[in-house]
Amino acid sequence: GQNIDQPTEMTATEGAIVQINCTYQTSGFNGLFWYQQHAGEAPTFLSYNVLDGLEEKGRFSSFLSRSKGYSYLLLKELQMKDSASYLCAVPYGGATNKLIFGTGTLLAVQP
Amino acid sequence: GAVVSQHPSRVICKSGTSVKIECRSLDFQATTMFWYRQFPKQSLMLMATSNEGSKATYEQGVEKDKFLINHASLTLSTLTVTSAHPEDSSFYICSLMTPADTQYFGPGTRLTVL
Repeated sequence: GQNIDQPTEMTATEGAIVQINCTYQTSGFNGLFWYQQHAGEAPTFLSYNVLDGLEEKGRFSSFLSRSKGYSYLLLKELQMKDSASYLCAVPYGGATNKLIFGTGTLLAVQP
Repeated sequence: GAVVSQHPSRVICKSGTSVKIECRSLDFQATTMFWYRQFPKQSLMLMATSNEGSKATYEQGVEKDKFLINHASLTLSTLTVTSAHPEDSSFYICSLMTPADTQYFGPGTRLTVL
């Protein structure tokens, strides 16, 4: 089956760096997604990792280790607007690429 | 990325009535769309996969006769919540998948059943 674990909540300070971890178990691996979701809004796409290593995209970076079933999202130079839930998701179901989501990590950025 | 719209953004209805939610792909022809449901402080749960020109595929535990899905064209999928009850109150979100295997989400529809 599929299982995804993320911390429920995290708090960080404006301007700092925060790392949000995600561990997963899936039968067959077809990449891992990170989404950002502000309260009351739909998720927005942040990153997609299918190979091991770190991918940097501006202030956000995402890391994947397939052998460890582990990923993290790294947010640098935190801003107040980064306060949101961060969802880790993996596809399943073969070619349909249905997504199973983790419960999300609610990040609160404080002044 | 792809642009996805949903209508309505919010709907309040009486118990027992039916509600239709539209999901449109504005700049992409989507053969596959997905419908998710999200209860407060919980993550997204996939309800069904909507396939253009064929029947939707429902996830385990989702009643297909209650949640009717119609994917009549490459740019439109509709979800109808039939005989809605208060427990159906939730945030309903659609998404589509691009050839790059990335899903883009609509803005969501907040359904409140009184």
